[in-house]
Amino acid sequence: QVQLVESGGGVVQPGKSLRLSCAASGFTFSKYSIHCVRQAPGKGLEWVALISYDGSGKYYADSVKGRFTISRDNSKNTVYLQMNSLRAEDTAVYYCARENTVTRVSWFDPWGQGTLVTVSS
Amino acid sequence: DIQMTQSPSSLSASVGDRVTITCRASQSISSFLNWYQQKPGKAPKPLIYAASSLQRGVPSRFSGSGSGTDFTLSISSLQPEDSATYYCQQSSSTPITFGQGTRLEIK
Repeated sequence: QVQLVESGGGVVQPGKSLRLSCAASGFTFSKYSIHCVRQAPGKGLEWVALISYDGSGKYYADSVKGRFTISRDNSKNTVYLQMNSLRAEDTAVYYCARENTVTRVSWFDPWGQGTLVTVSS
Repeated sequence: DIQMTQSPSSLSASVGDRVTITCRASQSISSFLNWYQQKPGKAPKPLIYAASSLQRGVPSRFSGSGSGTDFTLSISSLQPEDSATYYCQQSSSTPITFGQGTRLEIK
């Protein structure tokens, strides 16, 4: 079935780096843009980044621009989120989600199960 | 950035009630509006896309309407399993933005 599985979360000290992975299966990965969305504990959803189907387009939220880098390897059906200079406010569950598009309208489906990143000393 | 404002932030209703959640965009987003349901500890699930199109597999008691800046999500006959937090999301432009969420409790 169509599925996204995140990995790589954990506890990291402020200022350090972490790389998250989002592995896809059940669909033609190279045809879809992928988004990253995060959710701080007890808070709402915050969009983080987008990578286009071929990796040529990358977009970031202002809160992570210059610190996070999104990339993909279509041969491995995987998206990566490299997170540098981590801050306490980056603590969240990180989700990846596939972008579905119908006549210019896009929405996220499916979502991965999420991976928790905790930034703490 | 386009700001999305949901109301109410929380509500409590009984099984069988009709419930409406509203979402307002800070500028026109045409019909680029989606709704998601999230239960505790789980990833969000899409309910409605393009303001009024029902996601496959979602019960028909869920419906969406609106265009421009004002949108609504309605649940026609509330069921116990509808207890969740609901988010609207605009996909008109990046950065993609979500409403702050509406927590729905079943009495």
